[in-house]
Amino acid sequence: KAGVTQTPRYLIKTRGQQVTLSCSPISGHRSVSWYQQTPGQGLQFLFEYFSETQRNKGNFPGRFSGRQFSNSRSEMNVSTLELGDSALYLCASSQELAIPEQYFGPGTRLTVT
Amino acid sequence: AQTVTQSQPEMSVQEAETVTLSCTYDTSESNYYLFWYKQPPSRQMILVIRQEAYKQQNATENRFSVNFQKAAKSFSLKISDSQLGDTAMYFCAFMTHSFGNEKLTFGTGTRLTIIP
Repeated sequence: KAGVTQTPRYLIKTRGQQVTLSCSPISGHRSVSWYQQTPGQGLQFLFEYFSETQRNKGNFPGRFSGRQFSNSRSEMNVSTLELGDSALYLCASSQELAIPEQYFGPGTRLTVT
Repeated sequence: AQTVTQSQPEMSVQEAETVTLSCTYDTSESNYYLFWYKQPPSRQMILVIRQEAYKQQNATENRFSVNFQKAAKSFSLKISDSQLGDTAMYFCAFMTHSFGNEKLTFGTGTRLTIIP
């Protein structure tokens, strides 16, 4: 099976712009979670989607949003980018509620200038 | 809210030696999962091992094993016969076993270097 894929791998944006990141989960996995990784804050949970519904959301401002499509692919969007949004954004997929292991993609490295 | 603490920011050991990484957590939940993830330099996060809180037996995966002490809320990772490929950041993570709350709470990580 192919692993979790994320596109793009690298992105450079300017303050005030918006960005959309994409994640394709492992085939058969219906849950997709997003995490932000920074040197200062470490790994922080953004949100989780299951069957196109957001089930859980971390403590991030409303500029961070996401969605999941019927094929389980997920996108996250960050509007009005700030310098502090520079981070590695990780997507993870899991199979179902009874199987909790999350498998991570390679991440998207976002740099905001 | 759950918290996960990794008190060893960095560790280094000689190749073939055994190393133990520490992790403590705080929760009021009785049913949960604990994980160790490995993040090699510039590479993606890999699941190393998982432990269910209701299981008393410690999980083992080849050279990797855990020492799970539920009462002490401690979850350490032991790597036996360490190899150069074990060089990575290691993250301890917690997940409650409740519907709609399947999010990982991570510790700050331990940077492990295996010395040839």
